[in-house]
Amino acid sequence: SQQGEEDPQALSIQEGENATMNCSYKTSINNLQWYRQNSGRGLVHLILIRSNEREKHSGRLRVTLDTSKKSSSLLITASRAADTASYFCATEGYGGSQGNLIFGKGTKLSVKP
Amino acid sequence: EAGVAQSPRYKIIEKRQSVAFWCNPISGHATLYWYQQILGQGPKLLIQFQNNGVVDDSQLPKDRFSAERLKGVDSTLKIQPAKLEDSAVYLCASDAGTEAFFGQGTRLTVV
Repeated sequence: SQQGEEDPQALSIQEGENATMNCSYKTSINNLQWYRQNSGRGLVHLILIRSNEREKHSGRLRVTLDTSKKSSSLLITASRAADTASYFCATEGYGGSQGNLIFGKGTKLSVKP
Repeated sequence: EAGVAQSPRYKIIEKRQSVAFWCNPISGHATLYWYQQILGQGPKLLIQFQNNGVVDDSQLPKDRFSAERLKGVDSTLKIQPAKLEDSAVYLCASDAGTEAFFGQGTRLTVV
């Protein structure tokens, strides 16, 4: 079963704008991760946030985690056409391995030049 | 470093036929995963290996799917017999205790 639910399902923005994607999950987690998937290609790990962290930054990415609401958000600032991809949140439960993940359905981001 | 290698990239088979996918993880990665990604959905874990032992196969449809990781390195995933609903991308991933690295996947179409 899929734990995470991303919102929105699809997002279309202009280059230079910010993109925000949200993820909700159902059970307690050890950490939450965000992945990017370009069309027809494999998943690329973007960022991991642990359950005791509230915010994390990596370059143009900012992730927040609210464990009380069981939700996370991914912000991509100053978007580029190359950011066009599907973005997935994935949760790891306690006692699991880094790659034993439950993925959401993803948000399809389109950045227009 | 070389990434996770998978083959073939694409496969088309008729229903009730059998098919096998191969994965070579990143060198030194003890943990290997197989995921199934149906179009429009996120990946779903099928099986997790730690070296050559199975850690989690709770979501593997064992009546038709099987996987092995002999010698704790390469792995194969087999479907026999295939059904139309098995059409999906099969992703292999490996990790060494940090982040998981995914291969490009094998796109299976069952007609």
